[in-house]
Amino acid sequence: SQQGEEDPQALSIQEGENATMNCSYKTSINNLQWYRQNSGRGLVHLILIRSNEREKHSGRLRVTLDTSKKSSSLLITASRAADTASYFCAMTYAGNNRKLIWGLGTSLAVNP
Amino acid sequence: DTEVTQTPKHLVMGMTNKKSLKCEQHMGHRAMYWYKQKAKKPPELMFVYSYEKLSINESVPSRFSPECPNSSLLNLHLHALQPEDSALYLCASSQVATVNEKLFFGSGTQLSVL
Repeated sequence: SQQGEEDPQALSIQEGENATMNCSYKTSINNLQWYRQNSGRGLVHLILIRSNEREKHSGRLRVTLDTSKKSSSLLITASRAADTASYFCAMTYAGNNRKLIWGLGTSLAVNP
Repeated sequence: DTEVTQTPKHLVMGMTNKKSLKCEQHMGHRAMYWYKQKAKKPPELMFVYSYEKLSINESVPSRFSPECPNSSLLNLHLHALQPEDSALYLCASSQVATVNEKLFFGSGTQLSVL
C-alpha cells in the first residue's frame, strides 16, 4: 500500500508543552501537506511543504521534511487545549498525480 | 469568503430512502470533491469534478450519484444505501483539480443509514 504512516497514533500532553507527530512515506513525493480535523468536523489545511524544501513555519507550527528518510514532522509549540484534534499528512507521489495519499492520522489531546 | 458550506449537517435515512447532500463554495474554485470518512480513519476520495465535469470516480457504487449543476454547487444523491455507508461525507474544493493544490473542506454531513 502507498498509504502514509503516522506516529504516534495518539498523543496526550499538557497545555504549554510541545507536540511532535511524524509522517513517513514510501517513495519520492512532489509535496506533503498537513491537515487538522476537530472531532466530527471538516479538515483544515495547515501547511504544504514541497520536496525541495526542508522546513516551513506558520505561527506555532513547524513542519520539516527529510527526503532521505522519507519522513516529515509537524511540531506544535506551546500547545493549547484548542489544538486538540486529529492531524493528517497527505502527500502526492512523484509520477502519480492522480490523487492525494493520506496518512492514518495522529490524535492529539491537549489537557488544560 | 473562504467557506465550503455543506447541508444537512446530520442525516438519518432508511435503506429505501432517497436523499441528497449539498455543497456550495463561492471562492471561484474550479475543482470540487466528495470524500467519505469513517471514524478515526483518513478521508477516502469518492469523486472529483473539474470545470463541472466528472474527472475521477473512485469505483464508487452506483447508489451514490454525484451532480455538479454549476461551478459553485455540488450534490451527492443517495439511493438504496446500506448501513455500512454510514460515515461523515465531506465536500472539498480547490482552485484547480491537481493534487498539488490545498483543499478547502466543508464541515461534513454525518450520515446514518438504518
